[in-house]
Amino acid sequence: DAGITQSPRHKVTETGTPVTLRCHQTENHRYMYWYRQDPGHGLRLIHYSYGVKDTDKGEVSDGYSVSRSKTEDFLLTLESATSSQTSVYFCAISGPGGVNNEQFFGPGTRLTVL
Amino acid sequence: AQSVTQLGSHVSVSEGALVLLRCNYSSSVPPYLFWYVQYPNQGLQLLLKYTTGATLVKGINGFEAEFKKSETSFHLTKPSAHMSDAAEYFCAVTSNFNKFYFGSGTKLNVKP
Repeated sequence: DAGITQSPRHKVTETGTPVTLRCHQTENHRYMYWYRQDPGHGLRLIHYSYGVKDTDKGEVSDGYSVSRSKTEDFLLTLESATSSQTSVYFCAISGPGGVNNEQFFGPGTRLTVL
Repeated sequence: AQSVTQLGSHVSVSEGALVLLRCNYSSSVPPYLFWYVQYPNQGLQLLLKYTTGATLVKGINGFEAEFKKSETSFHLTKPSAHMSDAAEYFCAVTSNFNKFYFGSGTKLNVKP
């Protein structure tokens, strides 16, 4: 299995509080992604990173920010959590490169915003 | 722009019956296509992928899929369903192996 961990695995927080989710990889892959999974919507891309300090928005980026200061870590921050951000969040990495690329997923973080 | 449509959010089959999960894609460039499976409370894992070459691709657990460019389809099949196949299945497309677009998923129920 690809070495991807997410922390925390579960979190309950209140509306208006900041929340940071961490994704850590041991594969040294260049690309990292944050998705949210909601019933009926599949996986929707929030942000992705194509290198240290290089990030770009996905289709549902409003209310989220990301940072990548090291190859192995990709942080997702909800500056002021809202109930609509209650979801399961998945981190993914992509490698090894070119046509052999495929995405490997972490175990997910279940976030509940009350 | 790319997108994926999975017809049928829920599919139910009897154990031993054929499994057919449908995926149609939209892409203005040659697509690369993937099927992922997700078991309850787990992340996604790759079942199979089409990149180049043979249009019929075989994956893990007896699944296979055929890329049909004329029909813009990449349907997933398995000749005989097993109880352990009960899960949610996602089709995904990419054109550059950097951004991936997922369908909304199909939950497969296998009846004894």
